Amino acid sequence: SQQGEEDPQALSIQEGENATMNCSYKTSINNLQWYRQNSGRGLVHLILIRSNEREKHSGRLRVTLDTSKKSSSLLITASRAADTASYFCATVSGYSTLTFGKGTMLLVSP
Amino acid sequence: DADVTQTPRNRITKTGKRIMLECSQTKGHDRMYWYRQDPGLGLRLIYYSFDVKDINKGEISDGYSVSRQAQAKFSLSLESAIPNQTALYFCATEGWSTGTEQFFGPGTRLTVL
Repeated sequence: SQQGEEDPQALSIQEGENATMNCSYKTSINNLQWYRQNSGRGLVHLILIRSNEREKHSGRLRVTLDTSKKSSSLLITASRAADTASYFCATVSGYSTLTFGKGTMLLVSP
Repeated sequence: DADVTQTPRNRITKTGKRIMLECSQTKGHDRMYWYRQDPGLGLRLIYYSFDVKDINKGEISDGYSVSRQAQAKFSLSLESAIPNQTALYFCATEGWSTGTEQFFGPGTRLTVL
C-alpha cells in the first residue's frame, strides 16, 4: 500500500515562479526522499531528509519535514521549463523498502 | 554509459506468453529492485534482492518471478502474461543500506495484448 500522498496531483506555473508540492504520510519514518521523473523515464533522486532533520537545501530545491504532522514539502524556486516533470515522495519506515506516493505532475510554461 | 540498463526498452506480447525483462548494473550495488508503474500511480514494488542469494517478494509479486544471476544482473519474468500486466517496469539499485538513494534504469514499456 502507498504510504505517501502528494498534493496537488497537478500543478501548472509560469517560468520564474516557485513551485510547492506537499507529501503526507501515515506512519513514522526513518527518512523521506523526493524523486523526479521526466515523461516515461526512470526516476532520479533529488534529496533525502532524515526524520531528525527539519529542512534541507540542494540548489534551487528546499525540502521541509514536519514529523508531528507527518508531512513534507518540496519547494522549487525560480522554476524553469526543464523542471517540467512528475515529482514523487518516498518514505522509509523501520527496515522496510521505499514506498512511493502517486506523484505531482508539474508543468512549467515558458 | 548508463549505470543501470534495462532490456528490452519496449515489448509487445500476447496473452499467455512468457517474457523476461533484464536489468544490468555497473554500480557495484548489492541491492536491486523491480517496480511497476501504471498511469497516474506511483511505483509499486514487485520483488527485491539484497544479494545474489537473497530474493524477497514485494507488494505485488503474484504473476511474476525473478532471478538474480549475479551481483550485476536481476531479471524479472512473467510466466504467462496477462493484459493487466501492461505497465512501465523499472529496475533500481541501492547502495550500502536499505532506505538510501535508489538509482533507476530507463524502464521497459510492456504491452500485453
